Amino acid sequence: DADVTQTPRNRITKTGKRIMLECSQTKGHDRMYWYRQDPGLGLRLIYYSFDVKDINKGEISDGYSVSRQAQAKFSLSLESAIPNQTALYFCATSDPSGSPSNEQFFGPGTRLTVL
Amino acid sequence: SQQGEEDPQALSIQEGENATMNCSYKTSINNLQWYRQNSGRGLVHLILIRSNEREKHSGRLRVTLDTSKKSSSLLITASRAADTASYFCATRNSGGSNYKLTFGKGTLLTVNP
Repeated sequence: DADVTQTPRNRITKTGKRIMLECSQTKGHDRMYWYRQDPGLGLRLIYYSFDVKDINKGEISDGYSVSRQAQAKFSLSLESAIPNQTALYFCATSDPSGSPSNEQFFGPGTRLTVL
Repeated sequence: SQQGEEDPQALSIQEGENATMNCSYKTSINNLQWYRQNSGRGLVHLILIRSNEREKHSGRLRVTLDTSKKSSSLLITASRAADTASYFCATRNSGGSNYKLTFGKGTLLTVNP
């Protein structure tokens, strides 16, 4: 069973629509992250959360919001989707306690297309 | 801004050959990690090297780190077709928000049978 799951896996929406991407994890990690990946640009950090009460903006947070509903759940919302938000979105988790490596564990991704 | 920059952007080799990918970064780091991504899938952690280490091995993977040049290399020996994927370096900075990783743009490796 996957430790980090994302729903939906694929989504096509129209400009101006509100959309939510969901991430759930069973790893028991406190830290969760949302990235977007665009061809040729690698991964860029949108938001990250170190625990339920700690949410921080990443390098490209404009146009996005997040909600950490529980330790295991971290949702990304696009309030009014625009075509340049078409990308592959990844959720990731990490647990630095007892693990100085800060290895991140990634979900399978959500492919979002905004028409 | 992105910390790591991989080189080359794309690499095509024959099965059995070795593949070397390089990563350069800009600021002081705590550690550097390499990840692999199969097409359209999530990233998978491969190996980590700390700033006080110079070389690390894991199976067919060998990573080197030169902090004076702010660069790292990933060597995959005896490559297989199944190694075809994109490879990303990611750095954890030594100051500031310590638990964020900054990813490079990746090297696309194609191993031809």
